[in-house]
Amino acid sequence: QVLLVQSGAEVKKPGASVKVSCKASGYKFTDYGFNWVRQAPGQGLEWMGWISTYGDNIHYEQKLQDRVTMTTDASTNTAYMEVRSLRSDDTAVYYCARAMGAAIACDIWGQGTMVTVSS
Amino acid sequence: QSVLTQPPSVSGAPGQRVTISCTGSSSNIGGGYDVHWYQHLPGTVPKLLIYGNTNRPSGVPDRFSGSKSGTSASLAITGLQAADEADYYCHSYDSSLRGSVFGGGTKLTVL
Repeated sequence: QVLLVQSGAEVKKPGASVKVSCKASGYKFTDYGFNWVRQAPGQGLEWMGWISTYGDNIHYEQKLQDRVTMTTDASTNTAYMEVRSLRSDDTAVYYCARAMGAAIACDIWGQGTMVTVSS
Repeated sequence: QSVLTQPPSVSGAPGQRVTISCTGSSSNIGGGYDVHWYQHLPGTVPKLLIYGNTNRPSGVPDRFSGSKSGTSASLAITGLQAADEADYYCHSYDSSLRGSVFGGGTKLTVL
């Protein structure tokens, strides 16, 4: 069974950083990259970026590229997404989703990680 | 505001057909980039409904179909069911933004 399992919910203060993990199983990790997508409360889906399996090809959403870093670890079949200098409008559910490229459909999604930014 | 425009809401009675539009431009849909569609039920994870404009993943009923023409794409749902009540999102690539984009989402209400 193909699964993406994400790390648990986080509560952070403004200005802090958060790192979300996404562990893949049930398929060949090196065949796919990852999109990261978030959804703020009451809002739609927002694409954050895409990373290739080995992290040698990364596309970031332009408004976020100064605060977001995506990485992968093929030895543990895990992708990571870090957001720095958190603000209240970063409060959202963060999803990882399997995709062969930034323009390719996301066929499998993680369960989502709620990140709350509050003082 | 997304570069892919969807109607905020659509509705239909059980058994009817509804369509959800996704309007873009020459830098995304009109530039030949594929359109994908997702269904997002409250409290669940988004589910891929249509990929590559017209293709259904295994397990998605043929009541769901996708089309693309020029700078727009559409998702059609026939034989509406109460279980179809959800938010629907289109997704494509934009060459000007050099990244993927999602439409703003459409809330489907089954009357």
